[in-house]
Amino acid sequence: DQQVKQNSPSLSVQEGRISILNCDYTNSMFDYFLWYKKYPAEGPTFLISISSIKDKNEDGRFTVFLNKSAKHLSLHIVPSQPGDSAVYFCAASGSGGSNYKLTFGKGTLLTVNP
Amino acid sequence: EADIYQTPRYLVIGTGKKITLECSQTMGHDKMYWYQQDPGMELHLIHYSYGVNSTEKGDLSSESTVSRIRTEHFPLTLESARPSHTSQYLCATSFAGTFNEKLFFGSGTQLSVL
Repeated sequence: DQQVKQNSPSLSVQEGRISILNCDYTNSMFDYFLWYKKYPAEGPTFLISISSIKDKNEDGRFTVFLNKSAKHLSLHIVPSQPGDSAVYFCAASGSGGSNYKLTFGKGTLLTVNP
Repeated sequence: EADIYQTPRYLVIGTGKKITLECSQTMGHDKMYWYQQDPGMELHLIHYSYGVNSTEKGDLSSESTVSRIRTEHFPLTLESARPSHTSQYLCATSFAGTFNEKLFFGSGTQLSVL
């Protein structure tokens, strides 16, 4: 059973507009969330993270929002640039048992059109 | 410069061959991991190590084996490659002593078994 779900396999946006990537989780023990960006045939690179004590974290063009009651987080990219075109993975971890190991979603392919 | 090195980047090999995927790091991290990822799928943890002479199997069953004789080196071996082993293999590291895992990834090895 998938504990981290990215229900949109792909997303296409115009350059300069906002990209919103969504992620849902089912494990209530998760308290730390990360977004990774991955180009084909490359390893993922860390983008931004958020802990459950916050509901928003911002880093330049990237903002992550966390809604704990809905078990939902989203990554906003504003403005979107063609170089942002990549697969974005949501990941989560928590304290206790094996929850501390990162669990990844299946990723969303973002295409930013010039 | 602190980094994670994976070799080879690409490997095409015949069924039945023995292969070793190399991973070395200069990050100074104690924890090292091997993930397997197929297009459109999540990253699956296949092996991890918390230090020298420590290795554990991950969530996804794998026929591969690993060793950790030196802190900076974490090779993965397949004794007899099969087409089902075709995948991208990603090596990662993280700080020890934290429950909030932030992984740093190498560039990956794309393995194709014919």
